[in-house]
Amino acid sequence: QKEVEQDPGPLSVPEGAIVSLNCTYSNSAFQYFMWYRQYSRKGPELLMYTYSSGNKEDGRFTAQVDKSSKYISLFIRDSQPSDSATYLCAMCQTSYDKVIFGPGTSLSVIP
Amino acid sequence: DGGITQSPKYLFRKEGQNVTLSCEQNLNHDAMYWYRQDPGQGLRLIYYSQIVNDFQKGDIAEGYSVSREKKESFPLTVTSAQKNPTAFYLCASSIALLAGASYNEQFFGPGTRLTVL
Repeated sequence: QKEVEQDPGPLSVPEGAIVSLNCTYSNSAFQYFMWYRQYSRKGPELLMYTYSSGNKEDGRFTAQVDKSSKYISLFIRDSQPSDSATYLCAMCQTSYDKVIFGPGTSLSVIP
Repeated sequence: DGGITQSPKYLFRKEGQNVTLSCEQNLNHDAMYWYRQDPGQGLRLIYYSQIVNDFQKGDIAEGYSVSREKKESFPLTVTSAQKNPTAFYLCASSIALLAGASYNEQFFGPGTRLTVL
């Protein structure tokens, strides 16, 4: 079993839709959870970061962590064509530990 | 502008050749990393360095070598011993791997796509 699993997609939605992206993980020691966005042929950039369980909102983006289920989610409201990218979840046990990345979900928002 | 640069953007290698990928950062970051990205797989850590003149192997170091002679530079050599080097290579940096830091945000370069002919 991989440490971090993510549905690779591709996921295609119409503009304005609510998008839900998810990851599951096996290591209950993970405490730091991140979402990176990667445009085609570019390096990833940090989108959101969450420590431990709970929700975090930033504009149209909401990150949720459910440690009891070992499940994290990223919601995108009012999706835009510019949101079309691959979304990578990432996590680590401590702030100075190696970061484990999921394989990414490819998202296309159709105008 | 502060950031991370990688060169070249595209690189072609013949069988049996060693090639070196460049990574430079002007963010004054202590830690630097090399990842390999293949379709359907997460980023896999090749090597990382927390300080000048020191580096550690990641999960897939075989067939790769690095050096860290300067804080801002962390070149990666893909040797002929790497059996399947065709991939997208990403360099990243972060402030430091410190106990007690809020989180370890890594900043990524634009990547180098290596193809073996």
